[in-house]
Amino acid sequence: KAGVTQTPRYLIKTRGQQVTLSCSPISGHRSVSWYQQTPGQGLQFLFEYFSETQRNKGNFPGRFSGRQFSNSRSEMNVSTLELGDSALYLCASSRNTDTEAFFGQGTRLTVV
Amino acid sequence: GIQVEQSPPDLILQEGANSTLRCNFSDSVNNLQWFHQNPWGQLINLFYIPSGTKQNGRLSATTVATERYSLLYISSSQTTDSGVYFCAVEANSNYQLIWGAGTKLIIKP
Repeated sequence: KAGVTQTPRYLIKTRGQQVTLSCSPISGHRSVSWYQQTPGQGLQFLFEYFSETQRNKGNFPGRFSGRQFSNSRSEMNVSTLELGDSALYLCASSRNTDTEAFFGQGTRLTVV
Repeated sequence: GIQVEQSPPDLILQEGANSTLRCNFSDSVNNLQWFHQNPWGQLINLFYIPSGTKQNGRLSATTVATERYSLLYISSSQTTDSGVYFCAVEANSNYQLIWGAGTKLIIKP
């Protein structure tokens, strides 16, 4: 059974650009969550989707957005990139949010 | 909101030693998981344990939900156990995991 797949694995962008990250969940999982990990702030929740609906959103500016498609794959977009957006972005999938979450390998974004 | 505290923040042990990592949380939870983050950043599931005790090889975990803590035991440590161990909880069915700051474990050969 394939795990959670995140693409790309590494990304270097310039300030002001935008970026789109992709996450394919485990087959049969309908919940996808996104987290940002930085050395200073640790792991922080971005948003969660279930059956194409955003059910919760963390404390991030509107530059951070996401969506989920009918096949449960999810994308997150960050517009007008800032240096502080440099981080490891992790995606998790689960059958529902009160069940075990499984994480992808992450996308390491560097903004220069 | 719910607070999650992990201790100790850092732990350095010799290969073969045993260790206990602790996770305290400030409110009742309906989901608690332990993860190991490897040097490449991937979070590897260790236990899904909102309550009770589970064992998997050299690792075991216990969550005492009524007292709001969970313990992760690692026996006969190996160098490959090195990394950061995170505890994460979900409360109030609000669809997000709240994370502790992690315990950085270094196992010396």
